[in-house]
Amino acid sequence: DAKTTQPPSMDCAEGRAANLPCNHSTISGNEYVYWYRQIHSQGPQYIIHGLKNNETNEMASLIITEDRKSSTLILPHATLRDTAVYYCIVRPYNTGKLIFGQGTTLQVKP
Amino acid sequence: GAVVSQHPSWVICKSGTSVKIECRSLDFQATTMFWYRQFPKQSLMLMATSNEGSKATYEQGVEKDKFLINHASLTLSTLTVTSAHPEDSSFYICSARPPGQGPEAFFGQGTRLTVV
Repeated sequence: DAKTTQPPSMDCAEGRAANLPCNHSTISGNEYVYWYRQIHSQGPQYIIHGLKNNETNEMASLIITEDRKSSTLILPHATLRDTAVYYCIVRPYNTGKLIFGQGTTLQVKP
Repeated sequence: GAVVSQHPSWVICKSGTSVKIECRSLDFQATTMFWYRQFPKQSLMLMATSNEGSKATYEQGVEKDKFLINHASLTLSTLTVTSAHPEDSSFYICSARPPGQGPEAFFGQGTRLTVV
C-alpha cells in the first residue's frame, strides 16, 4: 500500500506558485521522499527527492517538515505544461521499486 | 537523464492472442527493471520486478503465467501478455534505475494495449 496521502486535485493560476502537499506520517528513518509527475498518457517523470533537508533543483523545490511527516512540492511559476498528476512516494534510497498512490491532479489555468 | 524506451507505443490485438512489449535502457545497463500497469483514471500499479538472468518477481495478485517477463540482457526486458482478453487492455509502463547515477528511476513512454 502507498504510504502517502495527497489531495486528489488542485488548481493553480498560470505564473503563480503551485504548492502540493503530501502526508507521510509513517515514514521510516531510511526512507526518502520522492516526487514524480505524469503528464497524460506518458510515463512518469522524476522531479525531486529529499531526506530531511529542503531541496531545490531546476524544476521545483521540496520542503520537508522537521518531523518528516509531511512535505510540500513547490513549482515556483506554474505553466500550462505543468498540468499533470503529481505523485509523492517514500522509499529507501537504493530501491528502484516505486509504489504509487493516487497522486494529485494539478490543473494550471490561464 | 537516462533514457528508457518502450516498443510499441500502442498495439491492438485480438482476444486470445499474445502480445510482446519491449523495454530497453538505451544508455545504461539495467540489472533490474520494473513493470507497471495503469487503467484509465487510476494510478500506476507495480506488476513485477524483472531481474537480468533470473526469474522475475511478481507482486501479489499478478498472474505470472499470464504476464511472462524475460530479462535476457542488461538492456532489454520484455513483457508478454498471453491469451489476452479485453480486461487486459491497459497502459503498460516500464522503468529502470541507472546504477551509480543517483536514486531516480526513469520510465519508458508506455505502451497502450487494446484487446478487441
